[in-house]
Amino acid sequence: GEDVEQSLFLSVREGDSSVINCTYTDSSSTYLYWYKQEPGAGLQLLTYIFSNMDMKQDQRLTVLLNKKDKHLSLRIADTQTGDSAIYFCAESNDYKLSFGAGTTVTVRA
Amino acid sequence: NAGVTQTPKFQVLKTGQSMTLQCAQDMNHNSMYWYRQDPGMGLRLIYYSASEGTTDKGEVPNGYNVSRLNKREFSLRLESAAPSQTSVYFCASSESPGQGRDTQYFGPGTRLTVL
Repeated sequence: GEDVEQSLFLSVREGDSSVINCTYTDSSSTYLYWYKQEPGAGLQLLTYIFSNMDMKQDQRLTVLLNKKDKHLSLRIADTQTGDSAIYFCAESNDYKLSFGAGTTVTVRA
Repeated sequence: NAGVTQTPKFQVLKTGQSMTLQCAQDMNHNSMYWYRQDPGMGLRLIYYSASEGTTDKGEVPNGYNVSRLNKREFSLRLESAAPSQTSVYFCASSESPGQGRDTQYFGPGTRLTVL
C-alpha cells in the first residue's frame, strides 16, 4: 500500500545479520507488524510492536521503532537459508492492516 | 485445527466468467477478510466482515461481492471476471476487528488467472 514503504530486495550472506526497513505514514497506528511469506504460502505473523515501545526482541528478531520518523526496522540475527522469504511491514488502523509491498530477502551461502 | 482454508488453490477463467472463492476458518474468529496480492503492491483489502451478518468494503471492492455465510465461512464472488482481476487472493481471520495486537491469520491463497 502507498502508506507503507519498503525496499523491494535484500541479499544477505548466511550467518550475517539482515536489516529490513519500513516507513509508514499513519501516526495513529497503535501496532506495527512484520509478516513473513514463504514461496507459495500465505502470510505468517513474525512479530509486532506496540507504538509506545522503541524496541522489541524475540529470539533472533529485533524490531526497532522510531515513532518520530515513522520508521520501523526488522533485524534478523545469524540469517539462515530458511529466512529466505518476502517480509511485509504493516500498520494497523481500526480493522484494517495496511501493508508495504514486501521486501524479498535472499540468503546466499 | 486447520486454521484458515481456501478453495480452490488455482483457477483459470475466461473474461466474463463468474466464480466464487471459498474461505473457512475453524478458530471461532469473529472477523474475516479478503485481500488481493499483486506484484510490487503488497496486499490490498477487498472486503471484510467484522462479525457474522456484516460486511463492508475495503480499499478495492469494485468487481467483487462477498457473503458471510456463517461464522466460519466467508466467500468472495467475481460476477464477470476481467484480466485486471488476475491476482493471488488471500483470506484472513482474526478474533475481533479493531486496533490491537489482534493477529490476522492467513490462508494459503488462491492463484487466479483471467484470460
